[in-house]
Amino acid sequence: DGGITQSPKYLFRKEGQNVTLSCEQNLNHDAMYWYRQDPGQGLRLIYYSQIVNDFQKGDIAEGYSVSREKKESFPLTVTSAQKNPTAFYLCASVGRFSSGANVLTFGAGSRLTVL
Amino acid sequence: GQSLEQPSEVTAVEGAIVQINCTYQTSGFYGLSWYQQHDGGAPTFLSYNALDGLEETGRFSSFLSRSDSYGYLLLQELQMKDSASYFCAVRDGSGNTGKLIFGQGTTLQVKP
Repeated sequence: DGGITQSPKYLFRKEGQNVTLSCEQNLNHDAMYWYRQDPGQGLRLIYYSQIVNDFQKGDIAEGYSVSREKKESFPLTVTSAQKNPTAFYLCASVGRFSSGANVLTFGAGSRLTVL
Repeated sequence: GQSLEQPSEVTAVEGAIVQINCTYQTSGFYGLSWYQQHDGGAPTFLSYNALDGLEETGRFSSFLSRSDSYGYLLLQELQMKDSASYFCAVRDGSGNTGKLIFGQGTTLQVKP
């Protein structure tokens, strides 16, 4: 079945460590996104990529980095520069962008806790 | 910039009807979407409005008024499983960017 796979589901990290969250999709979607969600909060956009080898900053990109070397993969690195990284991270994708609904398909999320 | 406003919480009883409002400010407009997220889960798409009026999908309907920069999600015949968070979302209106922005979300609690 087609979908988005995020790993790991749960991750614990010590302060000062970088950590990389994986996001893989087999939907043949062009665009991919990373959102951060804090308890009781909405989804805030970290980075997005509309095509391979290209990505743009979202609203809260500081302390994060991404790459898009393959269409299927959009990993997110949470660096030590991110001041408050404990959160739920959601990866999403959408097919070829159009003037229509552009429905996002989400992965199951990765919950990062900094100890 | 873009912003969306929704009520933070709504409570209703089983079988009732509830309306979740969303007002938006965007530099351009490409439609309003709604997503549902159960606690600890991933958001899933519910509906989309590009033009004024009501779109109906089973028990859920969504309305849009572009002149008022306003939309709402209407849930009828509420069931306990409808307890979830509901988010409205818009696309960044500047050019052809794929930037998708979400509101803060409305937590719906359905009581017996």
